[in-house]
Amino acid sequence: GENVEQHPSTLSVQEGDSAVIKCTYSDSASNYFPWYKQELGKGPQLIIDIRSNVGEKKDQRIAVTLNKTAKHFSLHITETQPEDSAVYFCAASRGNQGGKLIFGQGTELSVKP
Amino acid sequence: DSGVTQTPKHLITATGQRVTLRCSPRSGDLSVYWYQQSLDQGLQFLIQYYNGEERAKGNILERFSAQQFPDLHSELNLSSLELGDSALYFCASSVEGPSDTQYFGPGTRLTVL
Repeated sequence: GENVEQHPSTLSVQEGDSAVIKCTYSDSASNYFPWYKQELGKGPQLIIDIRSNVGEKKDQRIAVTLNKTAKHFSLHITETQPEDSAVYFCAASRGNQGGKLIFGQGTELSVKP
Repeated sequence: DSGVTQTPKHLITATGQRVTLRCSPRSGDLSVYWYQQSLDQGLQFLIQYYNGEERAKGNILERFSAQQFPDLHSELNLSSLELGDSALYFCASSVEGPSDTQYFGPGTRLTVL
């Protein structure tokens, strides 16, 4: 069935360092890949997304790369700040089944000042 | 603030009871999605409605049902509640569906005692 694997489950970095979170998906028909940030007590907040016709997308300190052949996509955060500390989720969906998102298990990122 | 509202924020009830969770989508969004977040299952898709019609269904229990009203707000009904139904329930909305960005509400925390 559809599955998204996310690694690592926890990640601790020093302020200013980079953080990388990786996801692999099983459904080759997936064509939309969003990343969400969830802070304690809040709902997931979209931080960046990528569609299957694009290999890389960047928004300030955040970038996402997609390798459709390997069914793999990654989130890169540069110059991390303490406020980046949160749980990050990757997700995948295929358009012809509505917008159902299949989520990874989440990565708890801790940025130490 | 995503523009998606959910009520109530917290709900405490007993096993066997029935509850209703309410969601108002962002202005202009026609699709509403319901997700369940628990520690052991992560974020799981339950059901999607588009403009009043059911569009996609996940592993939603038969004890759970949902609907979307003409004003586009949605309700998730959970009946014959069990301890294992304790979780965060999120509503998300998007303009239409396939590959559209989903914006999440703040969630309803359900505790079944």
